[in-house]
Amino acid sequence: DVKVTQSSRYLVKRTGEKVFLECVQDMDHENMFWYRQDPGLGLRLIYFSYDVKMKEKGDIPEGYSVSREKKERFSLILESASTNQTSMYLCASSLLLQGAKDEQFFGPGTRLTVL
Amino acid sequence: KNQVEQSPQSLIILEGKNCTLQCNYTVSPFSNLRWYKQDTGRGPVSLTIMTFSENTKSNGRYTATLDADTKQSSLHITASQLSDSASYICVVKDYGQNFVFGPGTRLSVLP
Repeated sequence: DVKVTQSSRYLVKRTGEKVFLECVQDMDHENMFWYRQDPGLGLRLIYFSYDVKMKEKGDIPEGYSVSREKKERFSLILESASTNQTSMYLCASSLLLQGAKDEQFFGPGTRLTVL
Repeated sequence: KNQVEQSPQSLIILEGKNCTLQCNYTVSPFSNLRWYKQDTGRGPVSLTIMTFSENTKSNGRYTATLDADTKQSSLHITASQLSDSASYICVVKDYGQNFVFGPGTRLSVLP
């Protein structure tokens, strides 16, 4: 079974703090994704990475950055947390971006609260 | 603009009853459509995948249908169980690298 783990289930930070969310997958997948999920909205893509050190902006990259130094690990960084970044953050990985093997496997999520 | 809409927003049914969730999309060019189940506090898990040429796919008590002409899909749950209480998310993939997520339908199954 593919396993995607996220470093924290719940996180509380203060406005202006730098926040690191980490994601690790154990299936040698090429692609990794960071989404945020807010009530009434579909998952929105923040960034994704298709290879080590490669990244592409998603729909809502503002206020976020990412790092992928190793294939299995993808980090999301909030440079200066703000209250409007309070959300559920989901990490996912997929083997490919085309065909039936483009299925995304999700981690359990990190619920971040910024005070 | 690529969009996925789902209805109803929420649904309450009694255990043992059947229900059908709807998904309409405008994603083009279409590659595949997946239904995910997301339990509270967990990440989504894939239930079914359908490509353009498939119009029905089953996974146990879950049956998904796809009408690529009208760009509609449905997820039918038979003989619901308490464990079916979750959000169900429709996700449409284009031929590029874009996954478009619907807002989900929140299903509550009551005893």
